[in-house]
Amino acid sequence: EIVLTQSPDFQSVTPKEKVTITCRASQSVGSTLHWYQQKPDQSPKLLIKYASQSFSGVPSRFSGSGSGTDFTLTINSLEAEDAATYYCHQSSSLPWTFGQGTKVELK
Amino acid sequence: EVQLVESGGGLVKPGGSLRLSCAASGFTFINAWMSWVRQAPGKGLEWVGRIKNNADGGTTDFAAPVKGRFTISRDDSKNTLYLQMNSLKTEDTAVYYCTWTTVTTIDYWGQGTLVTVSS
Repeated sequence: EIVLTQSPDFQSVTPKEKVTITCRASQSVGSTLHWYQQKPDQSPKLLIKYASQSFSGVPSRFSGSGSGTDFTLTINSLEAEDAATYYCHQSSSLPWTFGQGTKVELK
Repeated sequence: EVQLVESGGGLVKPGGSLRLSCAASGFTFINAWMSWVRQAPGKGLEWVGRIKNNADGGTTDFAAPVKGRFTISRDDSKNTLYLQMNSLKTEDTAVYYCTWTTVTTIDYWGQGTLVTVSS
C-alpha cells in the first residue's frame, strides 16, 4: 500500500498569504496524484488532478506541481473561503490512498 | 449538473448488515466507474472500493479492511449504485460518500450518509 504523508498537519495563515502544502509518497506514483478540498460539514471537492491539472471551475490561485514521490499544492493569495482541510490522493495503484490531511485555518 | 445522492445510512448493531444506495444523475452512469469513500468522525478519507462499468467488465476492487464483508453493485437501468455492508464492526462507523470515478480520478462526491455501528 502506498502511504502518502502530508506536511504540515496544520497551518494558520493570514488572508492574501501564500500557502504551500506538500505530499510525499512512499513510492513513485508518477503523476497520478490529486488534491481535494474539504470545508467543514461538506463533502470533498477536486481541485487538482494528475499533479498539476486544474479541475473545472477551480480558481486560478490553486496550483499543483511535482511527480514521482514529491508533490506540492500552492494557494496563492489565500482568501477567507479557502479555510478548509486539504487532502492528497493517489490512484497509481490499489488500494487507492489519501494523505492524512492538512487543515488550513485563518488567523 | 452532476448529482450523487446517498441514502440508507443509520444505526446498526455490530455484526449487522446495511445497504447504501446512491442515485446518480447529470452524467452517463452506464459508462461510469464508481467508488465509495468513507470518513470516520473527525478523521481523514479512506477509499472503500470501486466498480468498473460493464463495458470494462463490471469488476470490483476493495480495500483490505472491508474485503469479504462489503460488496458493490450497480443497476444501470436505475442509475443507482449500491454498497452492501455485512458483518459490520464498530470501526466501520463513518460517513460514506458515493463518488464518480473517471477511471483514475474521483471527480465528484455525494453529500454522504452516516453509518453508525454501535450496540
